[in-house]
Amino acid sequence: DGGITQSPKYLFRKEGQNVTLSCEQNLNHDAMYWYRQDPGQGLRLIYYSQIVNDFQKGDIAEGYSVSREKKESFPLTVTSAQKNPTAFYLCASKWGQFGETEAFFGQGTRLTVV
Amino acid sequence: QQPVQSPQAVILREGEDAVINCSSSKALYSVHWYRQKHGEAPVFLMILLKGGEQKGHEKISASFNEKKQQSSLYLTASQLSYSGTYFCGTLGAGTDKLIFGTGTRLQVFP
Repeated sequence: DGGITQSPKYLFRKEGQNVTLSCEQNLNHDAMYWYRQDPGQGLRLIYYSQIVNDFQKGDIAEGYSVSREKKESFPLTVTSAQKNPTAFYLCASKWGQFGETEAFFGQGTRLTVV
Repeated sequence: QQPVQSPQAVILREGEDAVINCSSSKALYSVHWYRQKHGEAPVFLMILLKGGEQKGHEKISASFNEKKQQSSLYLTASQLSYSGTYFCGTLGAGTDKLIFGTGTRLQVFP
């Protein structure tokens, strides 16, 4: 079955440690996205990528890094520079046709930093 | 900059209607609507394209005012299953930068 998979579902890390969230899709989508969700703030765009080996910053990229070495994979690293990393993180993908197609979401990763 | 949604929250009885608005400060090519249940992934509802027609099926429909960069989602004769948080997503022309609004929490009671 085609879809988008995020792992792990829950992640706990100590303050000051980097952590990488996985996002894999087998839908052959060109565009991939990372969003952060906090209560009352909607979905805020962290990074997005339209093609392999290229990505752009979203509205809240500080303290995060990404890579897009393969079309199906778009991992997100939350670095120690991110001041408040505890949040729900959602990955999404879509055909890269400039807005005419829907985005599909993974089930999310809930990151808790203690 | 995130699109602004209004209202922030809506409480309904089954069978009542609701309208959720989405407003952007930038020129838009398309508007997407999604619904998210608590702790789950957002689920796609519909896309409206610039120059396109109003879309919808049965009791959920939407409109897109290109000149005002605004979209509205109409839910009629609400059902319990409509409960959740609704998000609009916007894209400008020639870009895949999909930005979501602040969300509207809808609760439907029997």
